[in-house]
Amino acid sequence: GAVVSQHPSRVICKSGTSVKIECRSLDFQATTMFWYRQFPKQSLMLMATSNEGSKATYEQGVEKDKFLINHASLTLSTLTVTSAHPEDSSFYICSAPKGASETQYFGPGTRLLVL
Amino acid sequence: SQKIEQNSEALNIQEGKTATLTCNYTNYSPAYLQWYRQDPGRGPVFLLLIRENEKEKRKERLKVTFDTTLKQSLFHITASQPADSATYLCALGSGDMRFGAGTRLTVKP
Repeated sequence: GAVVSQHPSRVICKSGTSVKIECRSLDFQATTMFWYRQFPKQSLMLMATSNEGSKATYEQGVEKDKFLINHASLTLSTLTVTSAHPEDSSFYICSAPKGASETQYFGPGTRLLVL
Repeated sequence: SQKIEQNSEALNIQEGKTATLTCNYTNYSPAYLQWYRQDPGRGPVFLLLIRENEKEKRKERLKVTFDTTLKQSLFHITASQPADSATYLCALGSGDMRFGAGTRLTVKP
């Protein structure tokens, strides 16, 4: 099946710093990728849709200036959490569809802890 | 308001039995409904997708039903095994999906 990777898998940072998370499709190209956030014992919440070559589309309530998304190539999308605060600590997961598939291939997730 | 409810937060069953998980939704008209498996600390893994014009879909020991009138999907795992223990998520849509909170299934030997 299709493979999506994320880097880093785990990151700890100080409050006020910025953290970049990478999402790569390893064996297919993805013009669209999706970023989700998951708090403990809660479901995945869609944050934004990352579009290759154009601006990301953010869900209501998600600050676009805080969560910067760059989809610079057909295999890479990055999410930068700017000026991170402890409440941003969460599990961040990306996904991408392969071709015209309706299903999503998810990355393994990135655990962010902001101290 | 829109809601996706997976009725049981946790479900415990004995090995060999059939596990049945429920997903109900309100104020949605999804063209697709999907089921994913998520293990602790991991991203979800796709299991099955069913379209709005389909009533039932099967894959090996898995079966999904979709009733757009009741706005409900049932997910069945037959002949359950301890390795089936995980959290199962239902999701509406295909790209920008909306997820339920999940049901944590534990299959006891």
